[in-house]
Amino acid sequence: DAGVIQSPRHEVTEMGQEVTLRCKPISGHDYLFWYRQTMMRGLELLIYFNNNVPIDDSGMPEDRFSAKMPNASFSTLKIQPSEPRDSAVYFCASTLRDRVYNEQFFGPGTRLTVL
Amino acid sequence: GENVEQHPSTLSVQEGDSAVIKCTYSDSASNYFPWYKQELGKRPQLIIDIRSNVGEKKDQRIAVTLNKTAKHFSLHITETQPEDSAVYFCAAPQGGSEKLVFGKGTKLTVNP
Repeated sequence: DAGVIQSPRHEVTEMGQEVTLRCKPISGHDYLFWYRQTMMRGLELLIYFNNNVPIDDSGMPEDRFSAKMPNASFSTLKIQPSEPRDSAVYFCASTLRDRVYNEQFFGPGTRLTVL
Repeated sequence: GENVEQHPSTLSVQEGDSAVIKCTYSDSASNYFPWYKQELGKRPQLIIDIRSNVGEKKDQRIAVTLNKTAKHFSLHITETQPEDSAVYFCAAPQGGSEKLVFGKGTKLTVNP
């Protein structure tokens, strides 16, 4: 398996522009997570899905952020309009939950810079 | 909700020494405690985890201990090597959900 795939790996944009980050989870995994990592705030969970349904979006900072999972193999995180404080590394992760917790596998991340 | 505190934030040791990183959590219902390692510019990767039915788990030079009464768990790395240099994160689930709350991380530097 190729692991969790994210694109783009790097994104540089100007304030006010729309940004779309993409994620393909590991095949067969039923949970997908979006995290944001910054020096100041560490690793924060933004939202997670179970079987394509959003379960907890309490970490989404504001209405400028939205996430979708139209099918089991694809998810997007959109920021519109983007602001300089959105600059961070965004990770997608996936896991398969049976009766116990299992490892969350992280993608390589997208480094977002908003100028 | 769950609150995870991690100490120290930075740790510098000489090659061959041991390193210990400690975490406390607040949700007494938590029953799964993973540790992730993140090398510079890379993704976090699971190195070891422990479930609440055991007090200690070991994997070669890495061990994790859990004290449920005190609500703390620790990562122990013995015979440290330069390739152990990384940021280490502890985590705990919130309210029995799949949501993991991560500590702020410990930057470990192993000096040759």
